[in-house]
Amino acid sequence: GAGVSQSPRYKVAKRGQDVALRCDPISGHVSLFWYQQALGQGPEFLTYFQNEAQLDKSGLPSDRFFAERPEGSVSTLKIQRTQQEDSAVYLCASSRLSNTEAFFGQGTRLTVV
Amino acid sequence: AQTVTQSQPEMSVQEAETVTLSCTYDTSESDYYLFWYKQPPSRQMILVIRQEAYKQQNATENRFSVNFQKAAKSFSLKISDSQLGDAAMYFCAYSLSGYGGATNKLIFGTGTLLAVQP
Repeated sequence: GAGVSQSPRYKVAKRGQDVALRCDPISGHVSLFWYQQALGQGPEFLTYFQNEAQLDKSGLPSDRFFAERPEGSVSTLKIQRTQQEDSAVYLCASSRLSNTEAFFGQGTRLTVV
Repeated sequence: AQTVTQSQPEMSVQEAETVTLSCTYDTSESDYYLFWYKQPPSRQMILVIRQEAYKQQNATENRFSVNFQKAAKSFSLKISDSQLGDAAMYFCAYSLSGYGGATNKLIFGTGTLLAVQP
């Protein structure tokens, strides 16, 4: 596609509900990153994929957070048993190689009520 | 650990004037990149300018330029001839080079909200 696409744009979840956030990177981009951006803050790194391999998941805040990219293209970030502190914008970024410009999607705003 | 600090939560500039946004960072690495990103209300991060640490020459992109002081670990952004469309949140960011297997994840500051007055 022309850019990184994320869906849904907005998600409201009840506390305890599971959610799945989707990222469609730019076609052919090897690297894919997920970031979490709390209100009024800068984005914080969650996890990194190179093709289908998850090479770095050091930023995932708890074992309730899980990400996958099974075929090396589309990625899904899953949050189990959502809590209020999970409310944030989740940004996805992709790049052609590991050290080239990263292009961001418009993010998914998750609100846990 | 690497950190990025932006000490100006908000800045304001008159249209056509020049404004400078400040950023300092901390790292023990010698090979890294620095970035300025713009985030409008649409939330999409847009790369404004990028600087490789090994390059002494300051990066320039049209009306945007940086003042990179490696020893002082300072990386400020200068916007010349400010336009109404420049109004946005600006984030300074750092990443390792990505060579040698290091993840080139971005580490962001807390941002500076720039208002442009007509």
